[in-house]
Amino acid sequence: GAVVSQHPSWVICKSGTSVKIECRSLDFQATTMFWYRQFPKQSLMLMATSNEGSKATYEQGVEKDKFLINHASLTLSTLTVTSAHPEDSSFYICSARSGTGHYGYTFGSGTRLTVV
Amino acid sequence: GQQLNQSPQSMFIQEGEDVSMNCTSSSIFNTWLWYKQDPGEGPVLLIALYKAGELTSNGRLTAQFGITRKDSFLNISASIPSDVGIYFCAGQSGNTPLVFGKGTRLSVIA
Repeated sequence: GAVVSQHPSWVICKSGTSVKIECRSLDFQATTMFWYRQFPKQSLMLMATSNEGSKATYEQGVEKDKFLINHASLTLSTLTVTSAHPEDSSFYICSARSGTGHYGYTFGSGTRLTVV
Repeated sequence: GQQLNQSPQSMFIQEGEDVSMNCTSSSIFNTWLWYKQDPGEGPVLLIALYKAGELTSNGRLTAQFGITRKDSFLNISASIPSDVGIYFCAGQSGNTPLVFGKGTRLSVIA
């Protein structure tokens, strides 16, 4: 079945630094990838939708200059949290979709970001 | 963003008991999905529903797509300790992103 690999699984960084999270589709081409943020005991909140070769579409309230998304190939999307602050600490999850409809909504294993 | 109404928020049950949880929406969806999330992991798809009225099983799990297309339920029969986790419903229409419920946290007491 479809596999999405997300790295790193956890990262601790200092305030003011940037962190890059990678999301790779291992055995299929992902035309669309989604980035979610999840706070403890809460649901997944969509941050942005990225389509290969074009700019990401950000949800309302998500700063595009802070959360840089690059989807340069059909198998890789990256999320860079720039100038991270403690309030950016969260669980970030990517999801990749191949084709249309629900089919291929496969999630990565998530990245726990802690900013100290 | 938009969210689904999922209930209950949490459940504590004895091993062997059956479980039922549901989601409702003010919007119509063309697809209903049920996911399970273990701590520190991403969601894993359990069941996908594509047609109103559809009833689908996956082992001890059964889910139904409501006739109105605005609701869905998930049943787990004869619960076991490994059923512990957070269950999320998700709805989708067309090519829009998934809309998630707030989750049902299931605890199973052996």
